[in-house]
Amino acid sequence: DSGVTQTPKHLITATGQRVTLRCSPRSGDLSVYWYQQSLDQGLQFLIQYYNGEERAKGNILERFSAQQFPDLHSELNLSSLELGDSALYFCASSVGMGYTFGSGTRLTVV
Amino acid sequence: TQLLEQSPQFLSIQEGENLTVYCNSSSVFSSLQWYRQEPGEGPVLLVTVVTGGEVKKLKRLTFQFGDARKDSSLHITAAQPGDTGLYLCAGAGLSGNTPLVFGKGTRLSVIA
Repeated sequence: DSGVTQTPKHLITATGQRVTLRCSPRSGDLSVYWYQQSLDQGLQFLIQYYNGEERAKGNILERFSAQQFPDLHSELNLSSLELGDSALYFCASSVGMGYTFGSGTRLTVV
Repeated sequence: TQLLEQSPQFLSIQEGENLTVYCNSSSVFSSLQWYRQEPGEGPVLLVTVVTGGEVKKLKRLTFQFGDARKDSSLHITAAQPGDTGLYLCAGAGLSGNTPLVFGKGTRLSVIA
């Protein structure tokens, strides 16, 4: 157990729908990073939050949004889903240089 | 945009063989990390290298950071089936607090 908790583990949904992925960082970690992993693109950085505030933005689509709550858990919202959004979504938290990743959410859009 | 190229993409070897995987970039990184990822799990940090020319050993794994801090290698001695997985390198930019940039990984399969 890495200490980073992601739910749900698997999600199957239809095109056009909206889903919410949840992440709880390790106790004491203020940063949360969201990454998308697909076979052809590898791990792509989406967005980072630090202590409730957006810190950095990567290749995140406008249909996607995220937030970090006062208890430091974070949610990634994906809307108007397309087939190409099917991927593994990871969150990670950090203190210092290394990241600790959760087990991911496998999203399948059908 | 900083890019990390990993090679080879796929590697299938027999138990007991040695192997080296590479991580290259045209950009300079403040540090470079190696992760291993197994199916159904998130990447797990193996090592962080910070100083140009630095060599770190983790049992049968040897990590080296290039002198110019643009590239790194991972050498595995006497590979075992338990070494099977996806090996990812990740670079931290020179400006502080930038998110890690990941390579696409080397998928290693060690056959008993």
